[in-house]
Amino acid sequence: DAGVTQSPTHLIKTRGQQVTLRCSPKSGHDTVSWYQQALGQGPQFIFQYYEEEERQRGNFPDRFSGHQFPNYSSELNVNALLLGDSALYLCASSQVPGQGRAFFGQGTRLTVV
Amino acid sequence: QKEVEQDPGPLSVPEGAIVSLNCTYSNSAFQYFMWYRQYSRKGPELLMYTYSSGNKEDGRFTAQVDKSSKYISLFIRDSQPSDSATYLCAMSVTGGGNKLTFGTGTQLKVEL
Repeated sequence: DAGVTQSPTHLIKTRGQQVTLRCSPKSGHDTVSWYQQALGQGPQFIFQYYEEEERQRGNFPDRFSGHQFPNYSSELNVNALLLGDSALYLCASSQVPGQGRAFFGQGTRLTVV
Repeated sequence: QKEVEQDPGPLSVPEGAIVSLNCTYSNSAFQYFMWYRQYSRKGPELLMYTYSSGNKEDGRFTAQVDKSSKYISLFIRDSQPSDSATYLCAMSVTGGGNKLTFGTGTQLKVEL
């Protein structure tokens, strides 16, 4: 049983560019959440998708947007990249929003130069 | 002030020691409490998941929640070098599948 998978593993982008990160949830899970983890910090909640809609959002600007597909996979898009966007981006999936356990992928390490 | 406070360490212990990791929080609405283990450059791995107050044991790991004090703990018995990692506490108002609020993580090193 595959767990949560994320791609790519590493990414280097230039300030001002746009980036798309991808996530496939654990089998049987239909809810996907995205987190940003800066070096030496705990993960910070960006947003959650369920039934192809954004259900909850953390304190992140509109430059951060997402999408969920009918097969429950998800994308995180970040526009107009800033140096401060450099972080590990984590995807977590769960079976039903508001219940159960969240399982994390290995993350995508984004470096903005 | 952060909603969840966690001592970042690092914490260094000898192999076989009992490790105690702690978090305090300020939001009394938190009902679900989790501990994740994160190895360097990897995603967090769920260790313990508890609801409300009380204790939960799983092998060498014991999680305690004291909602009256807004304080949670993770104990690791017979610690091993393979336990060396960062331990993150996380909390949620409505369940582990919803928004999690994390501590900064405690870096643990278990030495031979």
